[in-house]
Amino acid sequence: AQKVTQAQTEISVVEKEDVTLDCVYETRDTTYYLFWYKQPPSGELVFLIRRNSFDEQNEISGRYSWNFQKSTSSFNFTITASQVVDSAVYFCALSPFRSGTYKYIFGTGTRLKVLA
Amino acid sequence: DAGVIQSPRHEVTEMGQEVTLRCKPISGHNSLFWYRQTMMRGLELLIYFNNNVPIDDSGMPEDRFSAKMPNASFSTLKIQPSEPRDSAVYFCASSSTTEQGRGYTFGSGTRLTVV
Repeated sequence: AQKVTQAQTEISVVEKEDVTLDCVYETRDTTYYLFWYKQPPSGELVFLIRRNSFDEQNEISGRYSWNFQKSTSSFNFTITASQVVDSAVYFCALSPFRSGTYKYIFGTGTRLKVLA
Repeated sequence: DAGVIQSPRHEVTEMGQEVTLRCKPISGHNSLFWYRQTMMRGLELLIYFNNNVPIDDSGMPEDRFSAKMPNASFSTLKIQPSEPRDSAVYFCASSSTTEQGRGYTFGSGTRLTVV
């Protein structure tokens, strides 16, 4: 079975605080991709990052960083010095790397509210 | 590139009416996906196409739903007859199978309300 769990339904922080969004996944595939998407109040889904299962190197992009740990099946997302514009729903997704199958399994999302 | 284009952005219809949602994928992308988003069920994959061929429609709720992709630049999702429980945001997304790891590009979605 393949599953993505985002246990945090909603998080509220004050601007400039750091915040970590958790993502835990289940898969029997040895090769897979993991993704994070952002859904701001306007409703569109914006691609943030992808990570393949062979690359456990953490990644930083500006105020965003991602911590992939295969040992715990987690792919957590940290926003440093949060801003009001970061307020959105964030989705973690899993995609098996199989020929002909490109389905994403999405988590239920974490709503982040950054208060001024 | 204009991105994935969906129309209409909003649709309000009466129960029992036919609804057609439209999607134009990014040029050069050969995979197209239809997702439905609701508060209760989150993002659900309804169907996806590779090279215009439906590959997996196991997520289509029931026979009232049908999807077509007559060519590489156009797809439709049809609900006939529509019911109030079909109210949701429907997203279309496209990607390239040769660049799977780059992620989908989603359209802006169609918010469907069935009254």
